[in-house]
Amino acid sequence: SQQGEEDPQALSIQEGENATMNCSYKTSINNLQWYRQNSGRGLVHLILIRSNEREKHSGRLRVTLDTSKKSSSLLITASRAADTASYFCATDVGGTSYGKLTFGQGTILTVHP
Amino acid sequence: NAGVTQTPKFRVLKTGQSMTLLCAQDMNHEYMYWYRQDPGMGLRLIHYSVGEGTTAKGEVPDGYNVSRLKKQNFLLGLESAAPSQTSVYFCASARLRNPYEQYFGPGTRLTVT
Repeated sequence: SQQGEEDPQALSIQEGENATMNCSYKTSINNLQWYRQNSGRGLVHLILIRSNEREKHSGRLRVTLDTSKKSSSLLITASRAADTASYFCATDVGGTSYGKLTFGQGTILTVHP
Repeated sequence: NAGVTQTPKFRVLKTGQSMTLLCAQDMNHEYMYWYRQDPGMGLRLIHYSVGEGTTAKGEVPDGYNVSRLKKQNFLLGLESAAPSQTSVYFCASARLRNPYEQYFGPGTRLTVT
């Protein structure tokens, strides 16, 4: 079964607007990360947030983590057409540090110029 | 650096045929992974390796075998392909010190008829 579930499944916005994607998970985690996938390409790591962190920033990205609600959100500010991609949250299975990740089904973001 | 490369990019197999997918990385990463991605679903871990000569099962290992004879290569084998193995396969690698920041290859699209 999928650990992470993302919402919305698809998001369409205009360039310059902010985009917010949400991820919920079921079991305790050590950390959560977000990946981006451009059409027909492999995934690219965006940001990692540890279970003892509540918020993290990287450029135009802001990630929050609420372990009590088992949820995370990814905010992309001032979006650009180049941000058009699928975005996935991924959680570690826990118990080891081997990088065994469970991915959500992703949010498809379309940014219109 | 080429990063993570995968061979082949596309393949069509008939049910019952066998094949091997090759993943190579030139970043001297210790950890390597094989995932499959199906429509509407996130990536699912098939097998992974924490070092040369070692492999372990992931979430969906049935029908697949792997080998890691050299640190830079991770092979995924299908002994008797089934239509349910039609998918896009991604290889990834990661450093020992940060296994959650995984570097992905471009993927192999496999169709089993």
